[in-house]
Amino acid sequence: GQQVMQIPQYQHVQEGEDFTTYCNSSTTLSNIQWYKQRPGGHPVFLIQLVKSGEVKKQKRLTFQFGEAKKNSSLHITATQTTDVGTYFCAGSNTGTASKLTFGTGTRLQVTL
Amino acid sequence: DAGVIQSPRHEVTEMGQEVTLRCKPISGHDYLFWYRQTMMRGLELLIYFNNNVPIDDSGMPEDRFSAKMPNASFSTLKIQPSEPRDSAVYFCASSLRTGPVTPSYYEQYFGPGTRLTVT
Repeated sequence: GQQVMQIPQYQHVQEGEDFTTYCNSSTTLSNIQWYKQRPGGHPVFLIQLVKSGEVKKQKRLTFQFGEAKKNSSLHITATQTTDVGTYFCAGSNTGTASKLTFGTGTRLQVTL
Repeated sequence: DAGVIQSPRHEVTEMGQEVTLRCKPISGHDYLFWYRQTMMRGLELLIYFNNNVPIDDSGMPEDRFSAKMPNASFSTLKIQPSEPRDSAVYFCASSLRTGPVTPSYYEQYFGPGTRLTVT
């Protein structure tokens, strides 16, 4: 079945440093979504990317969808302690667009 | 909007007992998903419904697990009998297709989860 892997599994940065997590799918995706889960919380939707090579920005967060639609990345500029949490990518395939396969997640820790 | 509601928030039970988890999706949403989250296996999709009909239950671990959606505003996930390896956080999520047919948008809204401990 479809597998979605993320690297790194864990990253610890100091506040103000940048952070990037990478997402790789074993199959071509129709779209990819990103979610954030705070410690003890539930996943919360951040954004969806649909087009090959698409780049979207939300304040300090930059999301990119690969040209082949098999990989994606999330980059955070100048991290803050509020960025702490686990970031998941989740992909879906054409024909089952409602069904998401979640990535393994990247846990981000930010310290002062 | 109250968001997705799940109950109970915490459940501790003994091995062999029946466990029922409940979910109320966001009003108007036509998709409902049940996920299980553990450290070892991450976030796994167990089953999902569209308009109250089960579409894909390939993620259900075994016959001990069953899910129902008798109406648009309520779903249950039942484990009978429960085992220690079922200990996990179970999330319910709902979504509504927005936008054109292609591409479609299925942003999922998660409930707070039920933390299940089976001893």
